[in-house]
Amino acid sequence: SQTIHQWPATLVQPVGSPLSLECTVEGTSNPNLYWYRQAAGRGLQLLFYSVGIGQISSEVPQNLSASRPQDRQFILSSKKLLLSDSGFYLCAWSGPNSGSIETQYFGPGTRLLVL
Amino acid sequence: QKEVEQNSGPLSVPEGAIASLNCTYSDRVSQSFFWYRQYSGKSPELIMSIYSNGDKEDGRFTAQLNKASQYVSLLIRDSQPSDSATYLCAVKDPGGSYIPTFGRGTSLIVHP
Repeated sequence: SQTIHQWPATLVQPVGSPLSLECTVEGTSNPNLYWYRQAAGRGLQLLFYSVGIGQISSEVPQNLSASRPQDRQFILSSKKLLLSDSGFYLCAWSGPNSGSIETQYFGPGTRLLVL
Repeated sequence: QKEVEQNSGPLSVPEGAIASLNCTYSDRVSQSFFWYRQYSGKSPELIMSIYSNGDKEDGRFTAQLNKASQYVSLLIRDSQPSDSATYLCAVKDPGGSYIPTFGRGTSLIVHP
């Protein structure tokens, strides 16, 4: 079966500090990977998605970036965090092993608080 | 712009009742529909997917799809307090992108 991991689970960072959130998927190959942000009381905002190693599509221009150095690893980064970056960051995957290639499954999430 | 609309709620139902959650979408060519459950502080969890008009049942959950009217519903029979959560509807068109459009969710409260 497939599992998706995210770490850290929670993070408190000062404004202007860098960020690195990691997501890994087990039990599948060549998954589509996604980063979402969910602000308090808000809906899911798609930030980035990737259909393969080194292939990143950005949905929202901002101070965040994403990278996919390995097939099942997706990293979200920032050089300088803003207060508005606070939120619940969710990694998701979809692929041939997920029942249908478009069905998304979410990781446990990282709660980020920028102070 | 594709839109997926859900009443934010909260929808409050007594234990044992049927909870009915509704979702409407704007893109007429949408063909894949998903319901997720999100407990407070947790990540969304897939409940059901539905692709054809009609009903699809899985345990206490029934998804209903009406493409002509552009709505999809989730019925929860014999609601339990453990069903209290936010329910997200997601809709996807048949294009090449694998990215669904999510609604903002409906908060459900099942009270004993």
